[in-house]
Amino acid sequence: AQRVTQPEKLLSVFKGAPVELKCNYSYSGSPELFWYVQYSRQRLQLLLRHISRESIKGFTADLNKGETSFHLKKPFAQEEDSAMYYCALSGRGQLTFGSGTQLTVLP
Amino acid sequence: NAGVMQNPRHLVRRRGQEARLRCSPMKGHSHVYWYRQLPEEGLKFMVYLQKENIIDESGMPKERFSAEFPKEGPSILRIQQVVRGDSAAYFCASSPDSRMGAFGSGTQLSVL
Repeated sequence: AQRVTQPEKLLSVFKGAPVELKCNYSYSGSPELFWYVQYSRQRLQLLLRHISRESIKGFTADLNKGETSFHLKKPFAQEEDSAMYYCALSGRGQLTFGSGTQLTVLP
Repeated sequence: NAGVMQNPRHLVRRRGQEARLRCSPMKGHSHVYWYRQLPEEGLKFMVYLQKENIIDESGMPKERFSAEFPKEGPSILRIQQVVRGDSAAYFCASSPDSRMGAFGSGTQLSVL
């Protein structure tokens, strides 16, 4: 069974501080992992995917197969980063989401 | 390309009524996924469909819920005899293959 765990339901940081949103997964195979973001009253949108190794809006995420993690990081948080973030794993035709982390960036 | 279109955006039903949620995938996408986001919870997979076929419905409640994706027209998620616990945001995603794609804006279902 594939599972995605986001241990923090809520996370608050001050503007300019580093932020890390944790994501751990379990999957028997080579996973494909994603981070999605949902800003208030907007649609869910893809933030980044591990295979592209991009940096979007200053966010990066590295797949660590040894620790089965895919944490999302940004060195300097901005107020506009406040949103709900979902980690997701794609495998066998199914996308499994974590329960989400609500990030609040305080001024 | 208009993206994944879901309608209605908001749907209000009384207990016992039927709810029909529509999802028009992006052009060229033949795979559709439905997810439910309950208050205070994350997104939960419900069903995965390709044209005219249900591939995986392991996340669908066994009763009252059904989904279809006909050869022509949008995918429909149908909830019969709605109850208050069905109140949630329902998201649809489409993809050209079995991997990732784009999400719709969701339908917020409120059951009175």
